[in-house]
Amino acid sequence: GENVEQHPSTLSVQEGDSAVIKCTYSDSASNYFPWYKQELGKGPQLIIDIRSNVGEKKDQRIAVTLNKTAKHFSLHITETQPEDSAVYFCAASKGRDTGFQKLVFGTGTRLLVSP
Amino acid sequence: EAGVTQFPSHSVIEKGQTVTLRCDPISGHDNLYWYRRVMGKEIKFLLHFVKESKQDESGMPNNRFLAERTGGTYSTLKVQPAELEDSGVYFCASSQVARNTGELFFGEGSRLTVL
Repeated sequence: GENVEQHPSTLSVQEGDSAVIKCTYSDSASNYFPWYKQELGKGPQLIIDIRSNVGEKKDQRIAVTLNKTAKHFSLHITETQPEDSAVYFCAASKGRDTGFQKLVFGTGTRLLVSP
Repeated sequence: EAGVTQFPSHSVIEKGQTVTLRCDPISGHDNLYWYRRVMGKEIKFLLHFVKESKQDESGMPNNRFLAERTGGTYSTLKVQPAELEDSGVYFCASSQVARNTGELFFGEGSRLTVL
């Protein structure tokens, strides 16, 4: 079955720096790659996603890149702010565009942004 | 609009006891998922309902776990009898079938501690 590896497990940056979190997946049939952010005491919340027919997607300070050949995808956060501090999870899915999402998650990255 | 709500937020029980977790999805969401995160590890899929029907229960660890979704509204996840390895955070998520965004809306989770 699908396996998703995520690195690093913890990441500390200074406010204003960039942060990069990397994931690899094993199943070449995976076609949907979301990133979820979990703040303390809350459930995971989708922040950005990318589908396999796209190489890069950007939304303000966050961007995701996908390399299908290498089975890598990454989350990039620029100009980090203290409120970006949270646990970030990458995930992969083979679900089609039907709303059925059996996600396989990575182990999470705890990002700490220091003022 | 109310989000996904889960109850209880935290449950502490002894090995061999029974616990029932409840999830109320977002109104109108036919898809309902249960996921679990054991400490420090990935968030793992348990099962998926569409309305009251189980579509995929391949992630259920063993027959000590029973999930139901009577009437296609709220869902319960019962663990009986609980074992030490069942400790973790149980997340419920929901999504609409009709919308093709792929986004799952997670609850805040129910933390289960088995002593």
